[in-house]
Amino acid sequence: DSGVTQTPKHLITATGQRVTLRCSPRSGDLSVYWYQQSLDQGLQFLIQYYNGEERAKGNILERFSAQQFPDLHSELNLSSLELGDSALYFCASRRTGETGNTIYFGEGSWLTVV
Amino acid sequence: EDKVVQSPLSLVVHEGDTVTLNCSYEVTNFRSLLWYKQEKKAPTFLFMLTSSGIEKKSGRLSSILDKKELFSILNITATQTGDSAVYLCAVVPSGQGGSEKLVFGKGTKLTVNP
Repeated sequence: DSGVTQTPKHLITATGQRVTLRCSPRSGDLSVYWYQQSLDQGLQFLIQYYNGEERAKGNILERFSAQQFPDLHSELNLSSLELGDSALYFCASRRTGETGNTIYFGEGSWLTVV
Repeated sequence: EDKVVQSPLSLVVHEGDTVTLNCSYEVTNFRSLLWYKQEKKAPTFLFMLTSSGIEKKSGRLSSILDKKELFSILNITATQTGDSAVYLCAVVPSGQGGSEKLVFGKGTKLTVNP
């Protein structure tokens, strides 16, 4: 168990709709990362937040947005959904160890757009 | 653009075999390389390799990093059916202002048959 919690686990919605995915990082971890995993693209970095502020941005579409709240949980908002947005969305948290920082993943949220 | 290439894309072996998974990378400034195992959902962390730690071992799994030739290998000895999974390699470029953005390869799907 990585300690990173994601909800919902599964979600089916129609094209054009909007959904919100939620993530709670491991207790004490200040960073939250969002990744998208689709069959053809593999794991793609979307965005990172650190202590409430955006730290890095990857291949995140303009229809997508995220934020991190004062209690450090994060939400990923996906709007105007298209069939191609169907994917597994992971949240990850950073943990500092003896040799550096390691990223630990939550169980993911399966999004199916129909 | 930072890039990670894994080979082979898939591999089928019998229990007891030894396998070697390859990961080559191109990154502007290298900080670390991570291996993950993904069975059904969340990638689970296996190893992190850095300039100060180029060889890691845990049970039947071991990994080395060749910073000069820009590759890493993951070895699994005496494979078991429970080793069946997708193995992901990721690199972390340095100089990201505190970000730990992972750049993933597409993974190697390992199937271990009884």
